[in-house]
Amino acid sequence: QVQLQESGPGLVKPSETLSLTCTVSGGSISGSYWSWIRQSPGKGLEWIGYIYNSGSTTYNPSLKSRVTISLDTSKNQFSLKLSSVTAADTAVYYCARHFRFTIIGVVIRPVDYWGQGTLVTVS
Amino acid sequence: DIQLTQSPSFLAASVGDRVTITCRASEGITSYLAWYQQKPGKAPKLLIYASSTLQSGVPSRFSGSGSGTEFTLTISSLQPEDFATYYCQQLNSYPYTFGQGTKLDIK
Repeated sequence: QVQLQESGPGLVKPSETLSLTCTVSGGSISGSYWSWIRQSPGKGLEWIGYIYNSGSTTYNPSLKSRVTISLDTSKNQFSLKLSSVTAADTAVYYCARHFRFTIIGVVIRPVDYWGQGTLVTVS
Repeated sequence: DIQLTQSPSFLAASVGDRVTITCRASEGITSYLAWYQQKPGKAPKLLIYASSTLQSGVPSRFSGSGSGTEFTLTISSLQPEDFATYYCQQLNSYPYTFGQGTKLDIK
C-alpha cells in the first residue's frame, strides 16, 4: 500500500518561497508520475504540476513561472518549490501519485494515491 | 484551460435515494474524466476514471457515464458514508482541471 506524507513549514511570509517535501513509502518512486495539487476555499482544487522519474516535468501554465518540482529517488521523495508567494497561495497542499491507464491507445493519468494534505498559510 | 461545471453545487438527499451529479466540460474531452469523493479534512478519493471505470474497492452503487462534454456520476442507493463532496477532473489536456464540487448533504 503506497503512502504519501507531506512535510514543510505551515507558515510562509509574502514574497518568500514555499517549500514542501513528499515522502513516499510502500513503493518505489521510480516509474510513476508524482504531482502537487492544492485546495483553497477561493479556487477549489488546482493541479500544480507533476514529475516523472526521468525528471521530466509538466506544470500548470498559471504557476509555471514560479514552480519547481524535483525528485530525489535515493530518498523516495519529491519536492515542491513555489516562489514569490502571496496570500492567494494559502491553501492545503496535497502530494499525489498518478497511475497510467490506456484507452484505445491514449494514456490518461488519474490520481490513485494522495497525501493527507498540509495547510500552508502565507502571512 | 478546459472548464468543468458541476451541477448541482449542493444536493440534499436521504439514505436510499438515487442521486445523479452532472459535470459539463467547456470542450470535448472524449471519456477522459475522473470522479473523486472528498470528506471534511481528508484528501479526495478516486471513485471512477475513464468516465465509467470503477476504481478497485469502490462499491458498485457508484457508476459513471458520458463522453464528449457531458458526464454523470450516479449513486444508486445512498448510504450514510456517501455524504461528502464530489469532484470531477478532466485528464484530456494540460492543465488538468477540476469541477467546483457538489456537496451532498443529508436531507
